[in-house]
Amino acid sequence: ETGVTQTPRHLVMGMTNKKSLKCEQHLGHNAMYWYKQSAKKPLELMFVYNFKEQTENNSVPSRFSPECPNSSHLFLHLHTLQPEDSALYLCASSQDQIAGGTYEQYFGPGTRLTVT
Amino acid sequence: GQNIDQPTEMTATEGAIVQINCTYQTSGFNGLFWYQQHAGEAPTFLSYNVLDGLEEKGRFSSFLSRSKGYSYLLLKELQMKDSASYLCAGMDSNYQLIWGAGTKLIIKP
Repeated sequence: ETGVTQTPRHLVMGMTNKKSLKCEQHLGHNAMYWYKQSAKKPLELMFVYNFKEQTENNSVPSRFSPECPNSSHLFLHLHTLQPEDSALYLCASSQDQIAGGTYEQYFGPGTRLTVT
Repeated sequence: GQNIDQPTEMTATEGAIVQINCTYQTSGFNGLFWYQQHAGEAPTFLSYNVLDGLEEKGRFSSFLSRSKGYSYLLLKELQMKDSASYLCAGMDSNYQLIWGAGTKLIIKP
């Protein structure tokens, strides 16, 4: 596997379900991100992890819960979601300049989430 | 506040040239990124500008004016495969990206 991978690619869940999205980066980067992408809206940054420590939480509802067990893996745990949470969820990784990178973010293919 | 503005949609003809503009307001500034996103796919990196001027990379060029808070992406010799959304993003003082809503580029034969 190369780059950034995400599973599942598609997910349909009811409002009472609990599910998890998984992201893995094979680039040796030190930062990982979760974004929400809704049609015709800017990418919304949800969470940032740097060296496994959460550094950003942009007022995301508690029904979204991130987990970063190591610098290569990132999870987004979902529970009691609302229909308006239906969107494309993108994972990205980057390497900051201190660690020899250029901050360019590399994205996974995303999980298309539909909440019914 | 922080804001990125870019046109919602543009149409161009195969073989022609198109310029996609972006204006930005960020808290601090650590560079301007352009990404390409085909429908149903992940955004992919196109260019990064942090100094004023033009950066050329094959058929694609990106320009930055820090004093005007302005950037553009120039695509030459358009091909059908260039039909995609083009995302402009400014990096703020915390090294976080502030994203525009994207410009959907439609290429006609």
